[in-house]
Amino acid sequence: GQNIDQPTEMTATEGAIVQINCTYQTSGFNGLFWYQQHAGEAPTFLSYNVLDGLEEKGRFSSFLSRSKGYSYLLLKELQMKDSASYLCAVRDGDYKLSFGAGTTVTVRA
Amino acid sequence: GAVVSQHPSWVICKSGTSVKIECRSLDFQATTMFWYRQFPKQSLMLMATSNEGSKATYEQGVEKDKFLINHASLTLSTLTVTSAHPEDSSFYICSARDGTGLETQYFGPGTRLLVL
Repeated sequence: GQNIDQPTEMTATEGAIVQINCTYQTSGFNGLFWYQQHAGEAPTFLSYNVLDGLEEKGRFSSFLSRSKGYSYLLLKELQMKDSASYLCAVRDGDYKLSFGAGTTVTVRA
Repeated sequence: GAVVSQHPSWVICKSGTSVKIECRSLDFQATTMFWYRQFPKQSLMLMATSNEGSKATYEQGVEKDKFLINHASLTLSTLTVTSAHPEDSSFYICSARDGTGLETQYFGPGTRLLVL
């Protein structure tokens, strides 16, 4: 099975940087995903890591260390629209995704 | 990016009735689709994996006779909640695996079910 942990809530100021950590213990690993989910909507894909290191996509970056079972999502130059839940998900060899409980990020003016 | 649609987006029904939810991949063929359920302020829980032309694989604790899944084509999977009860009220989300490149799952917009 999969055990995925991430903080419940984080608050930051507009224009700031926030880092959301995710740790996982899995029986199989075939990639780690980050999704953004606004209230009442379906998740949207943000990033994917399967090798160790940093993947950068605009204001969002994601890091993976497989040996440590650790990932983080870095959100830079925060905007009000970034207020959402951020889901860490681990994919196994059967392409199934197991999700963490999500981190609710609140961006304040 | 790939687009996945779901229909209906909202449904309210009486207890005991059956509800069918459709999930379509609009611009790609999806050999595998996944059905999730999400209760308020909780994360997505995988219910079942649906493969085109074969029986769905259900996760532990999910009743296959209550949640009927049909994946008749490479672009359509349906979930039927049979004899729905108030405890089945939830947000049901499907995703489709694109089968190429990153093998990313793309999510539909979700269906909110309220059983009275």
